[in-house]
Amino acid sequence: ETGVTQTPRHLVMGMTNKKSLKCEQHLGHNAMYWYKQSAKKPLELMFVYSLEERVENNSVPSRFSPECPNSSHLFLHLHTLQPEDSALYLCASSTHRDPSYEQYFGPGTRLTVT
Amino acid sequence: GQSLEQPSEVTAVEGAIVQINCTYQTSGFYGLSWYQQHDGGAPTFLSYNALDGLEETGRFSSFLSRSDSYGYLLLQELQMKDSASYFCAVTDTGFQKLVFGTGTRLLVSP
Repeated sequence: ETGVTQTPRHLVMGMTNKKSLKCEQHLGHNAMYWYKQSAKKPLELMFVYSLEERVENNSVPSRFSPECPNSSHLFLHLHTLQPEDSALYLCASSTHRDPSYEQYFGPGTRLTVT
Repeated sequence: GQSLEQPSEVTAVEGAIVQINCTYQTSGFYGLSWYQQHDGGAPTFLSYNALDGLEETGRFSSFLSRSDSYGYLLLQELQMKDSASYFCAVTDTGFQKLVFGTGTRLLVSP
């Protein structure tokens, strides 16, 4: 247990569906992140939030929409996804946005787009 | 741009020592991190090097040479539970974010 939880753990959705991934951290951290992990590819940073303000949008398609209502919660809203979006989506948090600080990862949501 | 290279797979036996190398190219460099990820699990932080030299934490050590754009993770007294994927990641000063390598899968056999 890293103190970062994600729900759901598994999600299957059609290309026309709308769904949301949820992340919650119980560590009092100020920065939260969404990463995408596909087979045989490096973890890709998608979004960074620092003190609830989005500070990084790593050229992610608009069908992915993040939301950070407070410093403990992070959402990733999904709509009209493509099959190539199937991947493991990982949430992480850290004390500060500075990447030299250890990032604590959640267990991920395994997303399959059909 | 940024790129990192590490071997895709390494095999070793229990009790042995293994070294996982990582070479990187970045437009700006701040530090090198290592993360471990077991199958089906979350990545967990192992170490961070900002300065040249060796950092030791128990059975694991991490080394950095900034002049060679090179680092490695050294695992000693290997145990079966060390079978996992190991990722190096650089901290880029320009973009203030972690950029990960593709990972090295370590298989430890009895």
